[in-house]
Amino acid sequence: DGGITQSPKYLFRKEGQNVTLSCEQNLNHDAMYWYRQDPGQGLRLIYYSQIVNDFQKGDIAEGYSVSREKKESFPLTVTSAQKNPTAFYLCASKGSSDTGELFFGEGSRLTVL
Amino acid sequence: GQNIDQPTEMTATEGAIVQINCTYQTSGFNGLFWYQQHAGEAPTFLSYNVLDGLEEKGRFSSFLSRSKGYSYLLLKELQMKDSASYLCAAMDSNYQLIWGAGTKLIIKP
Repeated sequence: DGGITQSPKYLFRKEGQNVTLSCEQNLNHDAMYWYRQDPGQGLRLIYYSQIVNDFQKGDIAEGYSVSREKKESFPLTVTSAQKNPTAFYLCASKGSSDTGELFFGEGSRLTVL
Repeated sequence: GQNIDQPTEMTATEGAIVQINCTYQTSGFNGLFWYQQHAGEAPTFLSYNVLDGLEEKGRFSSFLSRSKGYSYLLLKELQMKDSASYLCAAMDSNYQLIWGAGTKLIIKP
């Protein structure tokens, strides 16, 4: 079945460590997104990519990095520079339908100890 | 600035009807989305409105008034499985989504 796969679902990290969250899609979508979700707040855009080998910073890119070497893959690295990384991270992709709806992965919950 | 407002939490009874409101202020407007999100899971798409009026899709309907910057999601014949958070998001002139904080809907038997 087509969809978006995020891994790992749960991740624990010590302060000062970098961690990479995986996002893979087989929907043949060009655009992919990373959001952060915190309790009581709306989804906040970290990075997005509209095409392979190109990506743009979102509203809260500081302390994060991404790559888009393949259409199917858009990994997110949470670096030690991110001051408050504990959050629920959602990856999404968007096709070319008229509505422009986003398709989300199951999410990755990162906890920094 | 850009802003989306929706109630934090609502409670309704199984079998009843509930309306979740959303007001938005964006730089330009290219449509309003509603998503459903169960706790700890991914959001799933419910509806998209870009023109004024009501869109009905089974038990769920969504309304938009562009002149008022207002939308609502109407859920009929509520079921326990409808307990979830409902996210409102408006698309601005750059086709970026501005998200509300979500409305947590609690369904009681």
